[in-house]
Amino acid sequence: QVQLVESGGGLVKPGGSLRLSCAASGFTFSDHYMSWIRQAPGKGLEWVSYISGHTYTNYADSVKGRFTISRDNAKNSLYLQIDSLRTEDTAVYYCARNTVADILLVDYWGQGTLVTVSS
Amino acid sequence: DIQMTQSPSSLSASVRDRVTITCRASQSISSNLNWYQQKPGKAPNLLIYAASSLQSGVPSRFSGSGSGTDFTLTISNLQPEDSATYYCQQSYSTPPTFGQGTKVEIK
Repeated sequence: QVQLVESGGGLVKPGGSLRLSCAASGFTFSDHYMSWIRQAPGKGLEWVSYISGHTYTNYADSVKGRFTISRDNAKNSLYLQIDSLRTEDTAVYYCARNTVADILLVDYWGQGTLVTVSS
Repeated sequence: DIQMTQSPSSLSASVRDRVTITCRASQSISSNLNWYQQKPGKAPNLLIYAASSLQSGVPSRFSGSGSGTDFTLTISNLQPEDSATYYCQQSYSTPPTFGQGTKVEIK
């Protein structure tokens, strides 16, 4: 069965950095685009970034230049390097699998990891 | 970016009621519209994709319809476990965008 397990969240000061990780299992990882989607406390869902099966990436304007998505297909892992953190980046960050047929459709989500940006 | 607008923002209904949530796109998105259910403290769960296709394992009381700019999610025979927030999402173009959510409560 498909499993996505995020890690790496925590409390960080404004301007700081974090690296989120997502361990994937139960499917052929390299076949799928993967995404990061976030949800601020009590708010809705916001797409952050996606990466193709190899190196093509795309970012939301709100994070462009500060966040970097990457993957290691040999380790079945997805990453999100988040730099220059702002208080408005406080959110639960979900790792998500995109379908093969529709690369912007997510069919599986991890449980999320909380990033709190506060001084 | 394509804006997705859901209505209502919240609703309260009784068990066995029929509930309808609407989602409107700011431009035509063909049938590239998906619905997710999210319960408190949990990750979203895909219910409907491509406007009307039921995701595997999802109860048949959930259905979707629409194309172009106007879409609906219908829950027939509402059950207590359907208490959740529902989000629509367009997968027509990047960036993929979500509606603001509709909170469904059981009376």
